[in-house]
Amino acid sequence: RKEVEQDPGPFNVPEGATVAFNCTYSNSASQSFFWYRQDCRKEPKLLMSVYSSGNEDGRFTAQLNRASQYISLLIRDSKLSDSATYLCVVLPMDSSYKLIFGSGTRLLVRP
Amino acid sequence: ETGVTQTPRHLVMGMTNKKSLKCEQHLGHNAMYWYKQSAKKPLELMFVYNFKEQTENNSVPSRFSPECPNSSHLFLHLHTLQPEDSALYLCASSQGGSISGANVLTFGAGSRLTVL
Repeated sequence: RKEVEQDPGPFNVPEGATVAFNCTYSNSASQSFFWYRQDCRKEPKLLMSVYSSGNEDGRFTAQLNRASQYISLLIRDSKLSDSATYLCVVLPMDSSYKLIFGSGTRLLVRP
Repeated sequence: ETGVTQTPRHLVMGMTNKKSLKCEQHLGHNAMYWYKQSAKKPLELMFVYNFKEQTENNSVPSRFSPECPNSSHLFLHLHTLQPEDSALYLCASSQGGSISGANVLTFGAGSRLTVL
């Protein structure tokens, strides 16, 4: 089983749609969780950290479910500029540095 | 210069060549990383340095040799690579340590390597 699993997509949605991605992780002792965004042929950039209580940043909402070992990202009112690959990232408890990346979920927002 | 800069952005080399990738960060971070990104695969951590000391070597073949002369500079020396080593090599930095937010990565734009 992969340490971090994501549906590769692509998710093809119209502008204005709401779309949700899930990510599952295998190490129940993981300590920190993130969503990164990677545009085509660019480097990954932090989108948001994921906190146990859930957190929101504008149109983006992240949730963590430790019992089921999954993380979600909800994007409301999708924009064309949201088209990118969204990477789920997990930090195991036994490391301060060894972030584990998922393969990413590709989102295409069409006009 | 700001953020994390990588040179060269593109590199084509033969299997017998020796080349180096360079990374420099201007963020005052203490930890620096090399990641490999191949098509259809997740980012793979290669090496981590914290305060110039190597803290992670993720079973990387010896044909990849990292060097970290100070907290701002990181090199990846390449020697007798294989075609399957062709990939995007990403450098990143973080504040480092166990405080909240210290492990958030800032990536460079990457060096795209092609091995013929």
